[in-house]
Amino acid sequence: DAKTTQPTSMDCAEGRAANLPCNHSTISGNEYVYWYRQIHSQGPQYIIHGLKNNETNEMASLIITEDRKSSTLILPHATLRDTAVYYCIVRASSNTGKLIFGQGTTLQVKP
Amino acid sequence: NAGVTQTPKFQVLKTGQSMTLQCAQDMNHEYMSWYRQDPGMGLRLIHYSVGAGITDQGEVPNGYNVSRSTTEDFPLRLLSAAPSQTSVYFCASSYTKDLGYTFGSGTRLTVV
Repeated sequence: DAKTTQPTSMDCAEGRAANLPCNHSTISGNEYVYWYRQIHSQGPQYIIHGLKNNETNEMASLIITEDRKSSTLILPHATLRDTAVYYCIVRASSNTGKLIFGQGTTLQVKP
Repeated sequence: NAGVTQTPKFQVLKTGQSMTLQCAQDMNHEYMSWYRQDPGMGLRLIHYSVGAGITDQGEVPNGYNVSRSTTEDFPLRLLSAAPSQTSVYFCASSYTKDLGYTFGSGTRLTVV
């Protein structure tokens, strides 16, 4: 599975959009991009995933560049409860379900 | 649906003791995994399973055994607890390998 690079930490003002970048320049054609987050001391929470097209659900939007070498998770109106560590994970469809976490980005939403 | 249920929530063990961390899900998920998270660190995969009777090793399998006799349950056994196994343990499950995983609330284990 491709390696991902994320900034260690980011800040965002409450009510503004939070844009979290992820670089995955070695991604292959059959590899999905997944985003999870972990709020302090809780179990990780699945947010969204995509292969080629942009995706949106009730939590967030996922924008994948045309060359698929990077992606951005967008939280449209960040709240204090969105403060968490956000993980970008790339995993092949042929993978047997093994999900490997990196270090993630710590997002601090400030009032 | 109760989701992914982990028991116990807290446990203190003495070095050398053995114990089993329980994980159960009621969502008919085929895929299940165990992770550990040390203080201030990321999650590391211990073992995973792609269905009843099928398990495989993750990143840090040493010192742990798993079995998957039913779809619902995926227990993690510590053979002989060591202080290095002090951690928070998370269990996760997914219906298919391409969908998102649902995580339990964790078991906080301290080995003294």
